[in-house]
Amino acid sequence: DAGITQSPRHKVTETGTPVTLRCHQTENHRYMYWYRQDPGHGLRLIHYSYGVKDTDKGEVSDGYSVSRSKTEDFLLTLESATSSQTSVYFCAISAERGGYGYTFGSGTRLTVV
Amino acid sequence: AQKVTQAQTEISVVEKEDVTLDCVYETRDTTYYLFWYKQPPSGELVFLIRRNSFDEQNEISGRYSWNFQKSTSSFNFTITASQVVDSAVYFCALLTNAGNMLTFGGGTRLMVKP
Repeated sequence: DAGITQSPRHKVTETGTPVTLRCHQTENHRYMYWYRQDPGHGLRLIHYSYGVKDTDKGEVSDGYSVSRSKTEDFLLTLESATSSQTSVYFCAISAERGGYGYTFGSGTRLTVV
Repeated sequence: AQKVTQAQTEISVVEKEDVTLDCVYETRDTTYYLFWYKQPPSGELVFLIRRNSFDEQNEISGRYSWNFQKSTSSFNFTITASQVVDSAVYFCALLTNAGNMLTFGGGTRLMVKP
């Protein structure tokens, strides 16, 4: 396997609670990404990181924050979860910009009730 | 801005039929990369192919083939003699050389019935 793991794999949480999802890689790749997958929308980028402490917003960043204090870990936090954030979240890694393509984690299914 | 459109949301075929999944993309960049990913019912994303904008050669890999046409901004995917195991959601995606973001189409759910 590519050396990317997401935790937890499944989570149910209540509206208004904070939630943190973790992405861990063993490939020493520079770029890490968080996507969410919703029916009809494919995957949409939430945030990405291009190095330790270097992050930027994606297409659907409202309500999410990220942190990357180590090369191998990229955390996605929902400060106050809402039902609209019920989704499947995928982490991805890439060695460089451009056409190298991404390797995806197995996904985290988050349900906000 | 870049955009990927997969107009077919669901396709149903009978085993052994050929099926083509359509992908149309938009970008102003001259250097870009196109991808296809497969998402089986288990949920993981499986990389199938990458094609750069300078290589318009069609590619064949077993029962899979891809037709890249810059003139129509399309990168279509054909499965020959489909099998039940091909049942999955298939995503087309675009990455520009200047961008940091892999942009996905909405996906096509393929159901292959025995």
